[in-house]
Amino acid sequence: KAGVTQTPRYLIKTRGQQVTLSCSPISGHRSVSWYQQTPGQGLQFLFEYFSETQRNKGNFPGRFSGRQFSNSRSEMNVSTLELGDSALYLCASSLKGGTFTGELFFGEGSRLTVL
Amino acid sequence: DQQVKQNSPSLSVQEGRISILNCDYTNSMFDYFLWYKKYPAEGPTFLISISSIKDKNEDGRFTVFLNKSAKHLSLHIVPSQPGDSAVYFCAASASGGSNYKLTFGKGTLLTVNP
Repeated sequence: KAGVTQTPRYLIKTRGQQVTLSCSPISGHRSVSWYQQTPGQGLQFLFEYFSETQRNKGNFPGRFSGRQFSNSRSEMNVSTLELGDSALYLCASSLKGGTFTGELFFGEGSRLTVL
Repeated sequence: DQQVKQNSPSLSVQEGRISILNCDYTNSMFDYFLWYKKYPAEGPTFLISISSIKDKNEDGRFTVFLNKSAKHLSLHIVPSQPGDSAVYFCAASASGGSNYKLTFGKGTLLTVNP
């Protein structure tokens, strides 16, 4: 069973640019979450999608947005990049079924560097 | 406002000994707690979890203890192995499991020395 796939793995952007990151969840998983990992803040929740609907959103500015497609694949976009957006962006999928037990399956992440 | 705290950034233990990783939380609404392990250049992987209705959950070498009154949980690894060297994240969720949002601590780097 293929795992969660994130592309691109590494990218470098300059301030003011925008970036789009892609995530393909495990086949059959319908919930996709995004997290930002930085050395100072650890993993912080960005948003979660299920059936193309955003169900939860973290405390990030509106420059951070996302969407989910009918095949459960998800993208997140960061506009007007700032130096502080440099981070590892992790996507995680979960098989919705009853109570959420917290077992998220993470991809390897997309490492964004903003210069 | 950090709702999940891992106060030890790092921990070093000898192979074969016990590793104890600690985590404190402040949000009383948290009712499900998890530990994730992360190796460099990989995404976190789920390790073990515990519901707030329990005070202990065991899976092989890994045991998680929950003290609700103290809002504290710990992960015990016995015996520790060099392959356990990784960053361990404590995480929590609220709303009876219907909320797919996890709140993570900042992690503890465990080093197990041969």
